[in-house]
Amino acid sequence: KAGVTQTPRYLIKTRGQQVTLSCSPISGHRSVSWYQQTPGQGLQFLFEYFSETQRNKGNFPGRFSGRQFSNSRSEMNVSTLELGDSALYLCASSLASAARTDTQYFGPGTRLTVL
Amino acid sequence: AQSVSQHNHHVILSEAASLELGCNYSYGGTVNLFWYVQYPGQHLQLLLKYFSGDPLVKGIKGFEAEFIKSKFSFNLRKPSVQWSDTAEYFCAVNDDQAGTALIFGKGTTLSVSS
Repeated sequence: KAGVTQTPRYLIKTRGQQVTLSCSPISGHRSVSWYQQTPGQGLQFLFEYFSETQRNKGNFPGRFSGRQFSNSRSEMNVSTLELGDSALYLCASSLASAARTDTQYFGPGTRLTVL
Repeated sequence: AQSVSQHNHHVILSEAASLELGCNYSYGGTVNLFWYVQYPGQHLQLLLKYFSGDPLVKGIKGFEAEFIKSKFSFNLRKPSVQWSDTAEYFCAVNDDQAGTALIFGKGTTLSVSS
């Protein structure tokens, strides 16, 4: 079974630009979560989508947004990029619903560098 | 809000030494606890998880963790480490306030010398 895939793997952008990252979950998984990983703050939860609806949201500004498609694939968008947005963005998928015990399976991440 | 503390930033051990990595969380409600590992060049993968029942849980590759509710702790252990255990280890929690969101500790880097 293929794992979680994320594209692109690396991105370089400049301040003020916007960026879209993509995540394809494991087949059959309906929940997709996004996390930001930085050396200073560690891993922080951005948001979670289930059945095309945002079900949970972390403490990030409105510049960070996402969506989920009917096939469970998800995208996240960051507008008006800032230097501090440089990070590894991780996507995780899990089977379903509100089961907090579900294992989240992580993808390899997209490394975003903002210049 | 929930927070997770991992006591050691970097641990250095020789092969066959025993390992214990500390993890404490702050919120005392209903919690689920996880340990994830990230090997060099690979992505995060689950080592083990606890959500109910026996507080001593066993995971992959000989790892185990003990949930001690009174101490808000979920320490990871392995009796004898191998060079291949060199990795970064993350403790994570979700709770009835955060929903499915995982709250991660800052991670502990384990270096094992052969």
